[in-house]
Amino acid sequence: GQNIDQPTEMTATEGAIVQINCTYQTSGFNGLFWYQQHAGEAPTFLSYNVLDGLEEKGRFSSFLSRSKGYSYLLLKELQMKDSASYLCAALDSNYQLIWGAGTKLIIKP
Amino acid sequence: DVKVTQSSRYLVKRTGEKVFLECVQDMDHENMFWYRQDPGLGLRLIYFSYDVKMKEKGDIPEGYSVSREKKERFSLILESASTNQTSMYLCASSPGTDIAKNIQYFGAGTRLSVL
Repeated sequence: GQNIDQPTEMTATEGAIVQINCTYQTSGFNGLFWYQQHAGEAPTFLSYNVLDGLEEKGRFSSFLSRSKGYSYLLLKELQMKDSASYLCAALDSNYQLIWGAGTKLIIKP
Repeated sequence: DVKVTQSSRYLVKRTGEKVFLECVQDMDHENMFWYRQDPGLGLRLIYFSYDVKMKEKGDIPEGYSVSREKKERFSLILESASTNQTSMYLCASSPGTDIAKNIQYFGAGTRLSVL
């Protein structure tokens, strides 16, 4: 079956760095998405990786290893506004998104 | 900015009622989706549509139907609401130009409680 695994919850300190991991098993693979979802709000797109390697976008970076079925989202210089859930989703061979349950990130001062 | 608008943020309905959830997008996107989001589970796809009057079943279509009479509007219908349909419902749209990097834009969600 198809599956996405990511930690349920993580805690980090303001100003620090945090890495949120995601492993996936899908029938075929056409890319990996990360979305951010603040409580009570819509998920919003953060990043898309289809090739191995690191994509950097400001304080946020996303990494992909296709051979390992693994991705991570790296958040630097954490701010209180980064407290949110981070959703990992893989695009399968039918171009359907398979979603993880999300990682709730708690930022402490 | 892409805007996806869901008609209600909160709804409370009785078991057996017919429920309509409306979603409108203003970016002329071809693709529209309905998901439900439950604690501890990933987003689950109920139905999607790649064009007007076209619909495809997702992973959990039982108990739901959809309507897409106009490109900008995608409605989710619960024919006879049941308590296990209590959930957060999210609508999304995406352009049809790049099937791979097909970023989905979400509405704020409708939290439905069925009593």
